[in-house]
Amino acid sequence: DSGVTQTPKHLITATGQRVTLRCSPRSGDLSVYWYQQSLDQGLQFLIQYYNGEERAKGNILERFSAQQFPDLHSELNLSSLELGDSALYFCASSRDPGQNSYEQYFGPGTRLTVT
Amino acid sequence: AQTVTQSQPEMSVQEAETVTLSCTYDTSESDYYLFWYKQPPSRQMILVIRQEAYKQQNATENRFSVNFQKAAKSFSLKISDSQLGDAAMYFCALDMAYKYIFGTGTRLKVLA
Repeated sequence: DSGVTQTPKHLITATGQRVTLRCSPRSGDLSVYWYQQSLDQGLQFLIQYYNGEERAKGNILERFSAQQFPDLHSELNLSSLELGDSALYFCASSRDPGQNSYEQYFGPGTRLTVT
Repeated sequence: AQTVTQSQPEMSVQEAETVTLSCTYDTSESDYYLFWYKQPPSRQMILVIRQEAYKQQNATENRFSVNFQKAAKSFSLKISDSQLGDAAMYFCALDMAYKYIFGTGTRLKVLA
């Protein structure tokens, strides 16, 4: 158990819909990262937040957005869903993006199926 | 462009034997970190080992060790005394402070 929690574990929805994925980082971790893993693919970095502020942005679609709240939990919002958005979405957390704290600890993922 | 390449889609190893998984990367950054993550069938991503680019000494964690060749931009993972529980997808990752790139993975099969 990494200490990172994600809800829900599974989500099935229809094309065109909007969903929200939730992540709670490990206690004390200030950074949250979101990744997308399509079937049998590597992980694609989407976005990073540090202490409530966006810190880095990767290959995140405009239909996707995220935020980190004052209690440090984060939400990833996916809208106008398409079949190709079906994937495993991981959240990870780390202490901070400083020099000595780069380990990212991953949650169990949310499996999104768009039908 | 920053890239991470894992050229071995699949590897097999006999139980108790040693196997090496390859990873090459490309970056113009001088300060970065490299990681190996394991993803078993449960799909949980588990950190195996990390290497700081500024350290010449290769990282070791129990049966797992790396061969970090900075000039060659190579970062291979050696698993000694392979166990059935080592069977998983292994991902090499490059962390350049606000840029995170994962390789496509190597599926490791452990044969009893």
